[in-house]
Amino acid sequence: DFQLTQSPSSLSASVGDRVTITCRAGQAINIYLNWYQQKPGNAPNLLIYAASTLQTGVPSRFSGSRSGTDFTLTISSLQPEDFATYFCQQSYTTPHTFGQGTKLEMK
Amino acid sequence: QVQLQQSGPRLVKPSETLSLSCSVSGGSISSHYWSWIRQSAGKGLEWIGRAAPSGDIIYNPSLTSRVTMSVDTSKNQLSLKLSSVTAADTAIYYCARDLRGGGGEWPDWGQGTLVTVS
Repeated sequence: DFQLTQSPSSLSASVGDRVTITCRAGQAINIYLNWYQQKPGNAPNLLIYAASTLQTGVPSRFSGSRSGTDFTLTISSLQPEDFATYFCQQSYTTPHTFGQGTKLEMK
Repeated sequence: QVQLQQSGPRLVKPSETLSLSCSVSGGSISSHYWSWIRQSAGKGLEWIGRAAPSGDIIYNPSLTSRVTMSVDTSKNQLSLKLSSVTAADTAIYYCARDLRGGGGEWPDWGQGTLVTVS
């Protein structure tokens, strides 16, 4: 299975901060990397697909980028509703696999 | 917008079969690819398998010996069966719709069903 390593596993930040979460793929996966946000009691919510394409309805403060097998999710200016857990997921091949998650907490 | 409503028992005994359904509204089940995904404290998020409009179904190799997915176009409903369950199968189970033809990106999810094996 394709391994995805997310970092950090947890992160403390304040409203207005710029936040970056990284996901490293164990092998080349082209652009087939997606990002989800999950809040307690809810299903994951697709934010970005194909490394950098913003899903419809997602605020523009979220962005994604790729450098080789390293992928980054950036939140340009944290809002109160952004405190949640974030997951990366590869759709390059089956079985599709997920990163272990990054919990973003309020400082 | 497509909506997914899950149903099924929340408590299953060890060695028995877990059975869940996912009813689709706001769109035809025949027009999309569908996946089942589960989430547990121990293993995180795990993709279980995918059903194509053609009827082709692929499973995660880690579960293929125990899992059966099916699509009922007359009811616009998906189903999942997982046999010989153990405590390790305790998880929240989700159905989800693919964004684009089997691409493996999921914009629409069911509400999730916490299934406990005990």
